[in-house]
Amino acid sequence: DTGVSQNPRHKITKRGQNVTFRCDPISEHNRLYWYRQTLGQGPEFLTYFQNEAQLEKSRLLSDRFSAERPKGSFSTLEIQRTEQGDSAMYLCASSYTGGAKTQYFGPGTRLLVL
Amino acid sequence: AQKVTQAQTEISVVEKEDVTLDCVYETRDTTYYLFWYKQPPSGELVFLIRRNSFDEQNEISGRYSWNFQKSTSSFNFTITASQVVDSAVYFCALSEINQAGTALIFGKGTTLSVSS
Repeated sequence: DTGVSQNPRHKITKRGQNVTFRCDPISEHNRLYWYRQTLGQGPEFLTYFQNEAQLEKSRLLSDRFSAERPKGSFSTLEIQRTEQGDSAMYLCASSYTGGAKTQYFGPGTRLLVL
Repeated sequence: AQKVTQAQTEISVVEKEDVTLDCVYETRDTTYYLFWYKQPPSGELVFLIRRNSFDEQNEISGRYSWNFQKSTSSFNFTITASQVVDSAVYFCALSEINQAGTALIFGKGTTLSVSS
């Protein structure tokens, strides 16, 4: 059973650059979630998709952030004009559709903005 | 508003000791789910358990056990006879059934260090 995968695992970029992360969910899962985790904190919800539709976005998701899931399979999270405050671990999770189904997480992408 | 509090920031124990990780939650919903995840140094969150608000029965899985008490809004996690491999950050999380997308609300985590 293949789990959730994320690429790249690590990304170092300079302030002002754009970065894009990819998430491949568990194949049977309709829902895909993005979370952000900063040092010493628990993950915080950013956005989620049901199939290809983006159904909810957190207030944490500023205009510089955009997420897509074009065919209802993999998803990308892009951050434009990165800032040092964007440095964090970006986690992707997937689940079946339905109330509070268990979310399974990928290994995360650790972003460092210099 | 929903909130999860893990008051213990760090716990250090010696191998074979029992350890309990505390979790207190706040929600106005009567239907909700509670979760525990483990985050080893590699960074990936590993699912441990999911309980719904209607099931207060305690659960045991090997060396792990969970005590859910609605009266005190707590969902505590006990590791019996701890091992070095249990060293990780443990997160408690809440999900409300009526919340669109059922996003997880996490506590800040408890770092458990088990020494040999």
